[in-house]
Order: sequence, then C-alpha cells, then structure tokens
Amino acid sequence: GAVVSQHPSRVICKSGTSVKIECRSLDFQATTMFWYRQFPKQSLMLMATSNEGSKATYEQGVEKDKFLINHASLTLSTLTVTSAHPEDSSFYICSAKRGSEGYTFGSGTRLTVV
Amino acid sequence: TQLLEQSPQFLSIQEGENLTVYCNSSSVFSSLQWYRQEPGEGPVLLVTVVTGGEVKKLKRLTFQFGDARKDSSLHITAAQPGDTGLYLCAGEGSSASKIIFGSGTRLSIRP
Repeated sequence: GAVVSQHPSRVICKSGTSVKIECRSLDFQATTMFWYRQFPKQSLMLMATSNEGSKATYEQGVEKDKFLINHASLTLSTLTVTSAHPEDSSFYICSAKRGSEGYTFGSGTRLTVV
Repeated sequence: TQLLEQSPQFLSIQEGENLTVYCNSSSVFSSLQWYRQEPGEGPVLLVTVVTGGEVKKLKRLTFQFGDARKDSSLHITAAQPGDTGLYLCAGEGSSASKIIFGSGTRLSIRP
C-alpha cells in the first residue's frame, strides 16, 4: 500500500523560532497533500491543501503567513511553522491520496513550543 | 463547511459487549471513510463506503453508509480490549478534493 513518511516525529523549539516538518510520499507521486492539526483529545482539523507547483489552499481561519507550505516536488511537501508560540504546540499530520487506494496518513509530528 | 458529528464522544464498555458509533452530517458525501487512531500515531484506514445503503464487514466490525450518503455507523460485536482507540469518520465531498474528519469517538474496552 501507499506509504507516507513524516519527519521529524517529535520536535521541541523555543518560542519565536521556526520549525519545518517534512511529508514524503515514498512509493508514489502526490500532486496534492494535506496538512492537519490535532489538539489533545480532539479530532483532526484540516489546515491546508498542498498543491505541487502552485500555492497551497488554506482552510478558513488558518494563517497562511504563519504556516508556510511548500510543495516543490511530486513526493515532498513541507510545513513551516514560523515564529512559533506555545499555542502552536500540537500534533501535525500530513496525508496524501493515491488514486483509488484512498488517503494515507503520515505518523505525525508532535510539536512542543517552550 | 461540511460538518461531521460523531456520537458518542466517549464510550467505555466491558469486554464482550456490542456497541455502535454514529457519524452524522447534513451534507452529502461521495464517500465516507472510517479510521482508527492510536495515541501518537496517524489515523489508519479501516474502510471506505461509497454507495448509499452499502454495508461492509471487517471481522467484528460492520460499517453502514446511509441511503442518502449523509450518515454512517460503525458497529462492533463482542468488543475486545484491542479495539480501544479513537475512531474517526471522514467524508469526501463531491469534488473529491479533500476529506473532513468527524469529531471522533474515544472507545475504551475494559477487560
């Protein structure tokens, strides 16, 4: 089945710094990838749709200047949390769809901003 | 905005009991998926239903898609401690461009 790899799995950063999270499709090409955020005890909230070679589409209420998305190749999308603050601490998950196989999710990145 | 409400939010039952989780929306979906998520991991797909009225079985789990493709249910027979986890439904709209997750049901099975 389709595999999506996410890195890092855990990251701790200081308030005010930026953090980059990578999402790779290992055995297929993904023109579209998705970024979700999940707070403790809650469901996944779609943040944005990452489109290869073009601008990402952000969901309502998500700051595009704070959550920078780059999808420069067919197998890699990155999410950069800029000027991170403690309220940005969360579990970030990416996914990609491979044809009729449906959506495959990465293993998530636990971001802690101190 | 398509909203998917799941009920119940939390469920704690004894091993061997049966349970049903519901996923409801006012919107029509082209397909609906059910996922299970363990702590600290991404969701894992259990099933996809695409046809109104469709019923799919996965061992002790039975999934049903509503006739109008607005709702779905997950029934677990003879629950086991290994079924413990967060169960999420997710709907894909007619444009099939993204999926939106339900509010989630946290299931705990006591031995």
